[in-house]
Amino acid sequence: GIQVEQSPPDLILQEGANSTLRCNFSDSVNNLQWFHQNPWGQLINLFYIPSGTKQNGRLSATTVATERYSLLYISSSQTTDSGVYFCAVYNDYKLSFGAGTTVTVRA
Amino acid sequence: DTGVSQNPRHKITKRGQNVTFRCDPISEHNRLYWYRQTLGQGPEFLTYFQNEAQLEKSRLLSDRFSAERPKGSFSTLEIQRTEQGDSAMYLCASSSPRTGRGSFDYGYTFGSGTRLTVV
Repeated sequence: GIQVEQSPPDLILQEGANSTLRCNFSDSVNNLQWFHQNPWGQLINLFYIPSGTKQNGRLSATTVATERYSLLYISSSQTTDSGVYFCAVYNDYKLSFGAGTTVTVRA
Repeated sequence: DTGVSQNPRHKITKRGQNVTFRCDPISEHNRLYWYRQTLGQGPEFLTYFQNEAQLEKSRLLSDRFSAERPKGSFSTLEIQRTEQGDSAMYLCASSSPRTGRGSFDYGYTFGSGTRLTVV
């Protein structure tokens, strides 16, 4: 199956800092999605991004499918950004998830 | 539409008991999925329905697990004779298929999950 690797595994930020999370995948994929899992376990859609760049407020994402990676940018981080960020790639209709990046934003 | 709804949110059961979870997908989504997430890991695919048809089951889904989606609406996941290794978060998601080139792709929407603890 497709391997998905995320880095770094853990990230500690001071409130207001910027950060970049990376997702590498082992094979060509149809699509890719970024999720944020909050402390209560809810997986929240962030971006559905097969290629190119998308922005939503302080978050933006870029996927370069030909080079098999995607980046998630968090700018001016807030404590509410804390949680685990997952990248998931589509193999037809199934998602293969990475192990996630745990982000802790300190006030 | 309030998104994907899962019940119960938490379930504690004794080893050997049967448990059943329910998922209500987004009404216009015809695809429904079950995933399992253990501590410190990303979710893993269990099974997939298109309308009422179960089209794929992962090898993670042992004979003690059964999923149904009668009439292509809500779905249930039953675990018989639970074991401690079944303790996990069980996540349900729904999606719509691509409707054609250039159409907007909805992607997955997940429910809040059911956290199962087997004691």
